[in-house]
Amino acid sequence: EAGVTQSPTHLIKTRGQQVTLRCSPISGHTSVYWYQQALGLGLQFLLWYDEGEERNRGNFPPRFSGRQFPNYSSELNVNALELEDSALYLCASSDRDRVYEQYFGPGTRLTVT
Amino acid sequence: GEDVEQSLFLSVREGDSSVINCTYTDSSSTYLYWYKQEPGAGLQLLTYIFSNMDMKQDQRLTVLLNKKDKHLSLRIADTQTGDSAIYFCADGAGGYQKVTFGIGTKLQVIP
Repeated sequence: EAGVTQSPTHLIKTRGQQVTLRCSPISGHTSVYWYQQALGLGLQFLLWYDEGEERNRGNFPPRFSGRQFPNYSSELNVNALELEDSALYLCASSDRDRVYEQYFGPGTRLTVT
Repeated sequence: GEDVEQSLFLSVREGDSSVINCTYTDSSSTYLYWYKQEPGAGLQLLTYIFSNMDMKQDQRLTVLLNKKDKHLSLRIADTQTGDSAIYFCADGAGGYQKVTFGIGTKLQVIP
């Protein structure tokens, strides 16, 4: 069974640009979570989607947004990139009935120059 | 807000036991997790414990929870070089979907 997949693996953008990151959950999982892992800061919760709707978001500005598609895959969009957005962005998925078991993808490494 | 703290680094010899410690602040925590991250890889869920449990054992892994002191530990018996990784403690509070992570403990296993 395939795990959580993310694309792209690495991305380099310049300040002010926009970026879209993609995530495919484990088959059968309806919930998708996005986290930011910045250097020295650990993991920070960004967004939670379930059944196509945003259920919760962390303490991030509105230029971080996303959506979930009918097949439960998800996109994370970041507008007006800033240097401090450089981080590893991790996506996780869980079953609707076992939300305490989140399985993570390999992440997308975003570098903003 | 919620806070999860861990020491940054632990070094052990191959074959010894490793104990990674974590403290959390949110008394409403429902689930506590341990994740492993190997270089260049995503997070792997190792184990989790419900807040009404004191201990959970899974093969070489033992999780101890002291809810009174808000202290969580992960013991790895017979530590192997393949156990070298960063271990994240995480706190599932404020709704299951919001998980607060510690900064991670880097475990170095010396052959």
